[in-house]
Amino acid sequence: GAGVSQSPSNKVTEKGKDVELRCDPISGHTALYWYRQSLGQGLEFLIYFQGNSAPDKSGLPSDRFSAERTGGSVSTLTIQRTQQEDSAVYLCASSLQSSYNEQFFGPGTRLTVL
Amino acid sequence: AQSVTQLGSHVSVSEGALVLLRCNYSSSVPPYLFWYVQYPNQGLQLLLKYTSAATLVKGINGFEAEFKKSETSFHLTKPSAHMSDAAEYFCAVSDGVGFQKLVFGTGTRLLVSP
Repeated sequence: GAGVSQSPSNKVTEKGKDVELRCDPISGHTALYWYRQSLGQGLEFLIYFQGNSAPDKSGLPSDRFSAERTGGSVSTLTIQRTQQEDSAVYLCASSLQSSYNEQFFGPGTRLTVL
Repeated sequence: AQSVTQLGSHVSVSEGALVLLRCNYSSSVPPYLFWYVQYPNQGLQLLLKYTSAATLVKGINGFEAEFKKSETSFHLTKPSAHMSDAAEYFCAVSDGVGFQKLVFGTGTRLLVSP
């Protein structure tokens, strides 16, 4: 596709439910990144993939958060037992390779936990 | 760890006036610095980046930024604001190898009045 796409664009869930957020990177981009944008907090790095492996998971806030990437393409961010503090916009980005290439961002998924 | 601080959560200017968005960084090594813009309901778009080649960096849409090591600053400027510049602007520093792990500031919303 032309750019990074994310689905759903909006997700409303109840506290305690699990959610899955999807990211489709730009075709041919081997690196993929997840960020979280919370009100007043700016953007926080969550995890980055090079191919299907995740060399840096340092930003995942708790063990309720996990992410996987299959086939070097689509990635899924899963949040288990959602809490209200998980409400945020989750942004995905991709780049040609990890080291010195621009990250292209998707429009984000807005998650609201009631 | 590297970090950036953006002074002013909101900046208001009149159309045609100078735009100045402030960013100060903290880094133990020569930094890679970035400015991104986010329009409503869209992903982040790279405006410009500093990679130690030249201290004055020119970006898209008439924006530029100057790296000042003595002041640990990387302020974003544009000589004449346009209504279409109204958006949120994020300063970021790379915290790792190359451009992998970006650490963002909390953002500055630019408001442009006619």
